[in-house]
Amino acid sequence: DTAVSQTPKYLVTQMGNDKSIKCEQNLGHDTMYWYKQDSKKFLKIMFSYNNKELIINETVPNRFSPKSPDKAHLNLHINSLELGDSAVYFCASSQDWASSNIQYFGAGTRLSVL
Amino acid sequence: DAKTTQPPSMDCAEGRAANLPCNHSTISGNEYVYWYRQIHSQGPQYIIHGLKNNETNEMASLIITEDRKSSTLILPHATLRDTAVYYCIVISGSARQLTFGSGTQLTVLP
Repeated sequence: DTAVSQTPKYLVTQMGNDKSIKCEQNLGHDTMYWYKQDSKKFLKIMFSYNNKELIINETVPNRFSPKSPDKAHLNLHINSLELGDSAVYFCASSQDWASSNIQYFGAGTRLSVL
Repeated sequence: DAKTTQPPSMDCAEGRAANLPCNHSTISGNEYVYWYRQIHSQGPQYIIHGLKNNETNEMASLIITEDRKSSTLILPHATLRDTAVYYCIVISGSARQLTFGSGTQLTVLP
């Protein structure tokens, strides 16, 4: 069983479209994260949720909206996609907020905006 | 300010020990050293962490110098599957945000 799973694995879309990426973890963790890895391979945190509440919201355009329907899921919706949004997006989870430094990552979603 | 400095790349022969250095000369007393790796096309993977004592687990060993200004991650018998980017991260126990640098690309050669 995959601990942190993301869907889809690949996403190719046109500029201006709206798309969602889903993330689910079956580890029973309380805390979940979204990261963006750009073409230069730098990995930066975007959002963090603890028990369905937003904890970290880095400087991310408000076209990006995370939603956590329950502790096991953290989805990422992106409106009006732009070329610069092309990247690999990783979801991660940690046992709880106190254990945030040990995170388990999904395999990533490769988003290409044309 | 970069908290850690790592060489951009290293090679290691398969079956030999891989020793990956990390400098963290400005580390403070409550900060830990964490190591993650990212195998190509996969998400980062936690390896090990330590405060001041040396640590060992099933994946690797972590050696931290007495002054804590540098550390070495040791993969005792590197395999081709250990080829990855290795990230050294210095972070306090109460911090809640991992910051990844550029890491070291380790290539294990057959």
